[in-house]
Amino acid sequence: AQKVTQAQTEISVVEKEDVTLDCVYETRDTTYYLFWYKQPPSGELVFLIRRNSFDEQNEISGRYSWNFQKSTSSFNFTITASQVVDSAVYFCALSEVVTGNQFYFGTGTSLTVIP
Amino acid sequence: DAEITQSPRHKITETGRQVTLACHQTWNHNNMFWYRQDLGHGLRLIHYSYGVQDTNKGEVSDGYSVSRSNTEDLPLTLESAASSQTSVYFCASSGGNGGADTQYFGPGTRLTVL
Repeated sequence: AQKVTQAQTEISVVEKEDVTLDCVYETRDTTYYLFWYKQPPSGELVFLIRRNSFDEQNEISGRYSWNFQKSTSSFNFTITASQVVDSAVYFCALSEVVTGNQFYFGTGTSLTVIP
Repeated sequence: DAEITQSPRHKITETGRQVTLACHQTWNHNNMFWYRQDLGHGLRLIHYSYGVQDTNKGEVSDGYSVSRSNTEDLPLTLESAASSQTSVYFCASSGGNGGADTQYFGPGTRLTVL
């Protein structure tokens, strides 16, 4: 079974629109970590955020914000006022203590921001 | 600055040949990982190591091997390359114990098996 589901395969938005990337995870562990990574067209993987399961506070970093809800097992990522430079594939990942902290990645959401 | 490098960046090989992909990190991280990235599958874990002389199998380890003789390097070997192993390979490393820390990735190696 997929531990991390990113149901949105591809999203296109017009520049300056807000966009939310969904991430739903599955775990029986009480201690786990959630991550978002960005993969721009150049191909490298860039770390964006790490959250642990005990910290449900939403986080904002500039135009980026993350909404962590344990009740719905979701860790969604919102980009406000999108820019062309935001065009990339975004990956959500789960790390569980019970499985030795292996990372489980979703299949990614490809975001295209149209100028 | 500390970094993680992979070599080669691109490799074309033939079916049946042995191939080794190099990964070198200067973060002094305990933990190192190898993933493959394929369309529709995201990143899948091949092998990982939590320290020198420690290696573990990941989700898609068949046909691959690793060895960890020092902190800095985790080479990935394809014993007998197959066309199904055509992929982009990423190496990653993290600090701390047991791999819960953030993983930082190398630039990737694009491998084509003909």
